[in-house]
Amino acid sequence: DTAVSQTPKYLVTQMGNDKSIKCEQNLGHDTMYWYKQDSKKFLKIMFSYNNKELIINETVPNRFSPKSPDKAHLNLHINSLELGDSAVYFCASSQPPLAGGPQYNEQFFGPGTRLTVL
Amino acid sequence: KNEVEQSPQNLTAQEGEFITINCSYSVGISALHWLQQHPGGGIVSLFMLSSGKKKHGRLIATINIQEKHSSLHITASHPRDSAVYICAVTRYGNKLVFGAGTILRVKS
Repeated sequence: DTAVSQTPKYLVTQMGNDKSIKCEQNLGHDTMYWYKQDSKKFLKIMFSYNNKELIINETVPNRFSPKSPDKAHLNLHINSLELGDSAVYFCASSQPPLAGGPQYNEQFFGPGTRLTVL
Repeated sequence: KNEVEQSPQNLTAQEGEFITINCSYSVGISALHWLQQHPGGGIVSLFMLSSGKKKHGRLIATINIQEKHSSLHITASHPRDSAVYICAVTRYGNKLVFGAGTILRVKS
């Protein structure tokens, strides 16, 4: 069974369109993330949600809006797509750090969604 | 300058060779992660460590907190080890900050 799944795997679209990428995890984790990997393979965090609440928002344009209908899902909606949005987008999940415990936990990544904006 | 620096950027080795990839960071961290990204694109967590050393099979990861440095070693390398190896550090809120990755190619 897939732990973290993303759909679609590939997305090709025209500039100016609006598109969504879906992410689901069946690990029972409370925290989910979106990462962007650019053409140089550099990964950078975009958003993090803990139990449906936004906890990290890393200077991402307003055209990007994450939506978490429940703690197992974190979707990414992108308005008015631009050429520079072309990248691979990875979803991930983890358990949040426990109060008083180690302030880190392993993250589990989805397979990625390759977005190409023409 | 990136908060996480990896070296080398590219590495080609012969099958059987001992491989070392280095990672240095300049910020306070909770933990350091080594990730593997295969040509197919998927990312897998290899190690997560906050001190000392961990070993999984032919892979060994070490960290020196005082020197803010970590190494990933691969013993008896094999062509199937060819991948991108990414160092990442955990900051606040379990936020990961990534290095640029090391592209490893092991030739048979």
